[in-house]
Amino acid sequence: GAGVSQSPRYKVAKRGQDVALRCDPISGHVSLFWYQQALGQGPEFLTYFQNEAQLDKSGLPSDRFFAERPEGSVSTLKIQRTQQEDSAVYLCASSPVKAGTDTQYFGPGTRLTVL
Amino acid sequence: AQSVTQLGSHVSVSEGALVLLRCNYSSSVPPYLFWYVQYPNQGLQLLLKYTTGATLVKGINGFEAEFKKSETSFHLTKPSAHMSDAAEYFCAVRYSGGGADGLTFGKGTHLIIQP
Repeated sequence: GAGVSQSPRYKVAKRGQDVALRCDPISGHVSLFWYQQALGQGPEFLTYFQNEAQLDKSGLPSDRFFAERPEGSVSTLKIQRTQQEDSAVYLCASSPVKAGTDTQYFGPGTRLTVL
Repeated sequence: AQSVTQLGSHVSVSEGALVLLRCNYSSSVPPYLFWYVQYPNQGLQLLLKYTTGATLVKGINGFEAEFKKSETSFHLTKPSAHMSDAAEYFCAVRYSGGGADGLTFGKGTHLIIQP
């Protein structure tokens, strides 16, 4: 079956622009996670959804970052007034159950470059 | 704070030689432990995980890891390296005591296979 997909795969934005990154999780997966991976670093947790509820947003770096999953499937990560330090790969992952020991399945990521 | 340390940002081994990638975590509470592999321009793929039970865990592609509580370690090994093993490897933890729902990743180890 289809895995986690993300779009666009690459995004170039001018500083100050707003961007929206989309994640299509594996069908039926309850949990959805967003991570930020800076160049040469490991992924860092941003936020977690269980169905449509955003249960953890402790990793969002500022109030310019906003995520939603209104119908409990597709999720969008929005970054307002982008800054150069926002340049990174944004990874989405989904899991069939509530957050815990279960495997997270990752998408290929969206590479954001802010000029 | 939770942290994961991967010793060696780059590890180089000869084809057919033993692969050893080191991972240490900081916690007084036993965590759930994961190893992921990332190929260029692809998402992370789970190699193996430890949650409870047997401390020696076998994963895909001939990899295995042993959870050693006394050493707070979860090192990844493979008896004989293959050219296709060249990739970035990430150790990750999730703490069973609650807190953030996402995984905490190490900075990664780039595995180079010499012919």
